Amino acid sequence: GDSVTQMEGPVTLSEEAFLTINCTYTATGYPSLFWYVQYPGEGLQLLLKATKADDKGSNKGFEATYRKETTSFHLEKGSVQVSDSAVYFCALRALYNQGGKLIFGQGTELSVKP
Amino acid sequence: DGGITQSPKYLFRKEGQNVTLSCEQNLNHDAMYWYRQDPGQGLRLIYYSQIVNDFQKGDIAEGYSVSREKKESFPLTVTSAQKNPTAFYLCASSISARGTPRSGELFFGEGSRLTVL
Repeated sequence: GDSVTQMEGPVTLSEEAFLTINCTYTATGYPSLFWYVQYPGEGLQLLLKATKADDKGSNKGFEATYRKETTSFHLEKGSVQVSDSAVYFCALRALYNQGGKLIFGQGTELSVKP
Repeated sequence: DGGITQSPKYLFRKEGQNVTLSCEQNLNHDAMYWYRQDPGQGLRLIYYSQIVNDFQKGDIAEGYSVSREKKESFPLTVTSAQKNPTAFYLCASSISARGTPRSGELFFGEGSRLTVL
């Protein structure tokens, strides 16, 4: 079945460091891919998305490129801030998806120290 | 403001009791979802509904029940049959499940944390 695998956390970085959170997926065809962010005690917010191969999603300095050849959608940011500390979830929506549901990875906790 | 409202934010339950978590949306979305979140396990789908008076089981439906009598409401009942109900529960919605564009994302509520004493 369809699945998403993320790198395990927690990831601890110093402020202004470069961030990469790896995400790979298994799915039939060309799924849509998403990154969501969850701040402590809150729900999930959409961070960025991509719907076809080679698309780049970007928002708030975060970027991710849909790579079909490596079935990956890695999240990157050039310079993290303390306020980026949160849990990040990679998710996919399969092409022939009944119900529009998303399949999520296990989440990666990011902690940014001043 | 449009959005999804979950209540209560925190809930404590004694073993053997049923509890109902509320989820209301004013986004005029057709589809609604319930996910369960446990530490280190990501989000797992409990139930979803594509349209009023219709719903389908997700991956971990055992011990849960739902109803969809109104478009804006999708309450989740955690029954006494659920063996390990302590978790963070998230409700979500999307514009439409049928014919949803490939970019159709889910919009989430703030969550309800259930603790069994």
